[in-house]
Amino acid sequence: NAGVMQNPRHLVRRRGQEARLRCSPMKGHSHVYWYRQLPEEGLKFMVYLQKENIIDESGMPKERFSAEFPKEGPSILRIQQVVRGDSAAYFCASSNSDYGYTFGSGTRLTVV
Amino acid sequence: AQTVTQSQPEMSVQEAETVTLSCTYDTSESDYYLFWYKQPPSRQMILVIRQEAYKQQNATENRFSVNFQKAAKSFSLKISDSQLGDAAMYFCAYRSPYGGATNKLIFGTGTLLAVQP
Repeated sequence: NAGVMQNPRHLVRRRGQEARLRCSPMKGHSHVYWYRQLPEEGLKFMVYLQKENIIDESGMPKERFSAEFPKEGPSILRIQQVVRGDSAAYFCASSNSDYGYTFGSGTRLTVV
Repeated sequence: AQTVTQSQPEMSVQEAETVTLSCTYDTSESDYYLFWYKQPPSRQMILVIRQEAYKQQNATENRFSVNFQKAAKSFSLKISDSQLGDAAMYFCAYRSPYGGATNKLIFGTGTLLAVQP
């Protein structure tokens, strides 16, 4: 079991470009969560998805951010027109029960 | 809304000694889950220990144990026989019962633990 796979591990984007972060949950997991960790801070919830459905997006910024978890393929967190304040580590986690989550290793996004 | 507070930004412990990391939380729910996660410099989030609120017995995982005080809304982590590999950022987290409107984790701001040889 390969665990939760996130790629890329590091991503550098210029201001105004788009960033696409991918997350493949653990085999058999149908729940995916995205969190953002700003420097020197804890993880902040962004969005919770099940296959083809957004269940809770209360932590997502209203503009420029979107997420999907299609029937086939990985979950995608998309950030349009990135700004310097988007620089952070983005973590994905998956679960399929109440036994807690398994986290990926994160994607560190740097906006230059 | 639920909140999690970690009042110790940094802690230090001598190798082989015991250290306790503090965590308090606020909730109106009667059933929930509490977690401690470890984040080493590699950035990987590693589950250390979890506690179900309906269980009175404190959870234990090898050298890691918790002191869960439900009435006081306190959930501290004790690390015994500290090792150099325990040096990391430690996050306390809260989650509502599975099957609710959301299963999101609510994290504290973390405690950076240094282990001195």
